Amino acid sequence: DSGVTQTPKHLITATGQRVTLRCSPRSGDLSVYWYQQSLDQGLQFLIQYYNGEERAKGNILERFSAQQFPDLHSELNLSSLELGDSALYFCASSGSRNTDTQYFGPGTRLTVL
Amino acid sequence: QKEVEQDPGPLSVPEGAIVSLNCTYSNSAFQYFMWYRQYSRKGPELLMYTYSSGNKEDGRFTAQVDKSSKYISLFIRDSQPSDSATYLCAMIYTGANSKLTFGKGITLSVRP
Repeated sequence: DSGVTQTPKHLITATGQRVTLRCSPRSGDLSVYWYQQSLDQGLQFLIQYYNGEERAKGNILERFSAQQFPDLHSELNLSSLELGDSALYFCASSGSRNTDTQYFGPGTRLTVL
Repeated sequence: QKEVEQDPGPLSVPEGAIVSLNCTYSNSAFQYFMWYRQYSRKGPELLMYTYSSGNKEDGRFTAQVDKSSKYISLFIRDSQPSDSATYLCAMIYTGANSKLTFGKGITLSVRP
């Protein structure tokens, strides 16, 4: 167990809908990262927050947004969902602002029908 | 060309075999190199972490980095069925907007 928790485990929704994925980092970790994993693209970095502020941005679509709250948990919001958004979404955390050792959560499997 | 290329799989070996997993990369700025292991329906877990060229050993696992060739490897000795998982290489450079860049992963199956 990495100490990173993610909810929900599974999410099934329809195209055009909006969903929110939640992540709680390991105790004491200030950085939270979001990744998308699909069969054809592999694990893709979306965005990083450090202590409430956006730190780095990857291949995140404009339809997606994230935030990190004062208690350090983070939410990833996905809107106007498309079939191609079906994937595993992972959250990871680390203790520093610089990405080194990241601890991954169990992921949320999103299915868009 | 993708920044990180990983040998495609899947790979199936008998128990006790030596396994070699490889990645190449194009960005010479990468400084830190990692191997993650991902079991089915689980998140990736850090297996090995190396900095710069050379070898690092941890039990049955050896990570090797050759920065001159932009090539990293993970060797698994005396492979066990419990090693069956997907292995992802990852690397990063320090600096603004740095991010962990992963290979696509290779699925290893160790047959009893």
